[in-house]
Amino acid sequence: EAQVTQNPRYLITVTGKKLTVTCSQNMNHEYMSWYRQDPGLGLRQIYYSMNVEVTDKGDVPEGYKVSRKEKRNFPLILESPSPNQTSLYFCASSPGPRDGSNQPQHFGDGTRLSIL
Amino acid sequence: SQQGEEDPQALSIQEGENATMNCSYKTSINNLQWYRQNSGRGLVHLILIRSNEREKHSGRLRVTLDTSKKSSSLLITASRAADTASYFCARNTGGFKTIFGAGTRLFVKA
Repeated sequence: EAQVTQNPRYLITVTGKKLTVTCSQNMNHEYMSWYRQDPGLGLRQIYYSMNVEVTDKGDVPEGYKVSRKEKRNFPLILESPSPNQTSLYFCASSPGPRDGSNQPQHFGDGTRLSIL
Repeated sequence: SQQGEEDPQALSIQEGENATMNCSYKTSINNLQWYRQNSGRGLVHLILIRSNEREKHSGRLRVTLDTSKKSSSLLITASRAADTASYFCARNTGGFKTIFGAGTRLFVKA
């Protein structure tokens, strides 16, 4: 089954304790992306990756890091989490861009992070 | 804000009625996509419409795009209780960023 898998699904942690949210897709997609969803703000893009070793900032990259060492994995790293990073996070993937634009994205089920 | 603006923010209708949601944006686009999100779940892609297209259909869904007005609409005909969800438009401007609107929450009463 084609899917995007995020782990963990839920995490409560404390300020400053480094954490990693993993994301894996089994569709051989080139493009992967991380979003955060906050009430009233919709989804905001944190980072995206167009292929292995190619990443770029979205609209809200501060406080986050990513890496793309393998095509299927795109972990999101919070080196020193703070309470304002409490949010619902989604990973998504899609085939490479066509006609210069992104294609429909497949989303994971989300990771709810609470930073105390 | 770079985000698209959707309206209404919330919509409550009876089963069988049509639901229309609108999305406006500020800069030119290459394509615009509509997604559905059931409560607490990931988004599911519904329809992609390219900037040179004016209308697309998929089952009970109809999407229109007016690039001169920088707006798009999603029409769900003969709505069902199972259509209750949040609906988002997302646009690509030719780069590789994706910009989502804040969404419309649709509630369909049985």
